[in-house]
Amino acid sequence: DAEITQSPRHKITETGRQVTLACHQTWNHNNMFWYRQDLGHGLRLIHYSYGVHDTNKGEVSDGYSVSRSNTEDLPLTLESAASSQTSVYFCASSRGTGGFEQYFGPGTRLTVT
Amino acid sequence: GDSVTQMEGPVTLSEEAFLTINCTYTATGYPSLFWYVQYPGEGLQLLLKATKADDKGSNKGFEATYRKETTSFHLEKGSVQVSDSAVYFCALSGSNDMRFGAGTRLTVKP
Repeated sequence: DAEITQSPRHKITETGRQVTLACHQTWNHNNMFWYRQDLGHGLRLIHYSYGVHDTNKGEVSDGYSVSRSNTEDLPLTLESAASSQTSVYFCASSRGTGGFEQYFGPGTRLTVT
Repeated sequence: GDSVTQMEGPVTLSEEAFLTINCTYTATGYPSLFWYVQYPGEGLQLLLKATKADDKGSNKGFEATYRKETTSFHLEKGSVQVSDSAVYFCALSGSNDMRFGAGTRLTVKP
């Protein structure tokens, strides 16, 4: 069965370190997304990609970057982790925009100390 | 820009009670509307959707109708179960990204 996976599921890091969160999907979807989930804010879009070598900034992109070298993967990098980036991060993919649903991974809980 | 507002929780109900979670939206054009559910420790999963005005989405006893005149997409279920305890998100998707509401936590007590 097709799926979307994230690793690690839990991560503790120190302020100032670079951190990369992995996202891998086997749906063969062109569109991939990264969100962060914080209490009271719902899900906020960090970055998204509509295909290989395409990346776009979302609503809360400062301090994050992504690259898309193949269809299956969209890693999220925190260049210099800050305590404000402590959150739960979700990766999602979809076949298209508009009426197409997004499929979500299980999430990565990141703590920056 | 496009946005979604849903009722704040938490909501606590007894088993077999009627559920309504309100959702209203602001959007240009004709967005698609969704309800997602998130169980503890998991990612979001699609519960139901509607892609045009007057469409009704339904799944697992939940229903929501796309009301363009009131810009609403309220989630309803006639008789909730303990297993429905989760966080529910209303979302809309226009021509580009998807926008989510803040989520409503539902707890159903036996």
